[in-house]
Amino acid sequence: KQEVTQIPAALSVPEGENLVLNCSFTDSAIYNLQWFRQDPGKGLTSLLLIQSSQREQTSGRLNASLDKSSGRSTLYIAASQPGDSATYLCAVRSGNQFYFGTGTSLTVIP
Amino acid sequence: ETGVTQSPTHLIKTRGQQVTLRCSSQSGHNTVSWYQQALGQGPQFIFQYYREEENGRGNFPPRFSGLQFPNYSSELNVNALELDDSALYLCASSFSGGIGQFFGPGTRLTVL
Repeated sequence: KQEVTQIPAALSVPEGENLVLNCSFTDSAIYNLQWFRQDPGKGLTSLLLIQSSQREQTSGRLNASLDKSSGRSTLYIAASQPGDSATYLCAVRSGNQFYFGTGTSLTVIP
Repeated sequence: ETGVTQSPTHLIKTRGQQVTLRCSSQSGHNTVSWYQQALGQGPQFIFQYYREEENGRGNFPPRFSGLQFPNYSSELNVNALELDDSALYLCASSFSGGIGQFFGPGTRLTVL
């Protein structure tokens, strides 16, 4: 059974700092990996999707990488802003099932 | 292009009751997935529907059931509610081509 882990569980950084969030998964037979942002009590906003054949995707200040063989993905956020404060979740698709990590709660301090 | 919508926003039920949650998929999407998210946890996959048929299910008992309609809207039904069913229920739609999932705002269910 696929298991997804996110480290750290919580992170607090000063505004302007670059940061990396980590996601690991136990079964490398994935279809794709998706990073989401979730604000308190709200739904999920898709940030980046990486297909299993891809190594990375970029959108603005965000860059996500995927190393399927080692079961790892990272989300890099450049020049963090207070508006980036949220919980970040990664999810992998294995077959027709979807598995989420428990998320990293990010606080960017002005 | 409209996004994914869910209704109701909030719901309070008592133990043993039944509940129906609704989801309208994003325009052009033919696949819908439902998730349960307990407080402080990541979403747990309940099931997925594609063209009105269930084609994937997580580790949830049969009292969690669903429907997908020809217009690709969907319902999640939960029978015999238990206290542990209190959670945020999220619906996500996608196109079978694998572009990723798009989530609705969720329904907050409280079971007393």
